[in-house]
Amino acid sequence: EVELLESGGGLVQPGGSLRLSCAASGFTFSNYVMTWVRQAPGKGLEWVASISGADGSTYYADSVQGRFTVSRDNSKNTLYLQVNNLRAEDTALYYCVKDRVVATIGTFAFWGHGTMVTVSS
Amino acid sequence: EIVLTQSPATLSLSPGERATLSCRASQSIGSFLAWYQHKPGQPPRLLIYDASYRATGIPARFSGSGSGTDFTLTISSVEPEDFAVYYCQQRNNWLPLTFGGGTKVEIK
Repeated sequence: EVELLESGGGLVQPGGSLRLSCAASGFTFSNYVMTWVRQAPGKGLEWVASISGADGSTYYADSVQGRFTVSRDNSKNTLYLQVNNLRAEDTALYYCVKDRVVATIGTFAFWGHGTMVTVSS
Repeated sequence: EIVLTQSPATLSLSPGERATLSCRASQSIGSFLAWYQHKPGQPPRLLIYDASYRATGIPARFSGSGSGTDFTLTISSVEPEDFAVYYCQQRNNWLPLTFGGGTKVEIK
């Protein structure tokens, strides 16, 4: 059974940093593109970043480019999102998401329950 | 960036009625469209991928259609557990991947 368990969220001041983690199990982690999607309070879903399985190629939304870094440790079956220089508009529930099939990107078949990031002074 | 516009914003229905949700893309995306159901306190759930294929475990009352710029999600007979927000999402021109603004299906 696929499981994705996010952690690392919290309350942080503007300009601060956090490292989000997603522990994965129940599938061959290294074969799949993994993605972070977020939802701000009362708003819709927003794609944040993705990382390929094998070569670790990374892709970012313009809104986070240069501030967020997605990475993975295939030996630990763990996905990360380093979030720096946080702004109030980054306040959101951050979901870890697994793609539907191997080596494709953009069909989000399985979602974790999310970790909340709140940016406030 | 491809913009997805969903309509209506809110759909008020009684159980047993048919639901028709629309998603329009700002340019052609072929069939690379997915639909998700999102209930409060739960993660989104993939319903339909590549415009018309039901995801694993999704009931047959959910169906998707369309290609190019116009897509439809149909719930043939709405069940009480179907009241939720529904999002479309494209992966054709996938940088960036984009979602529609959502349609809320509420109890009439």
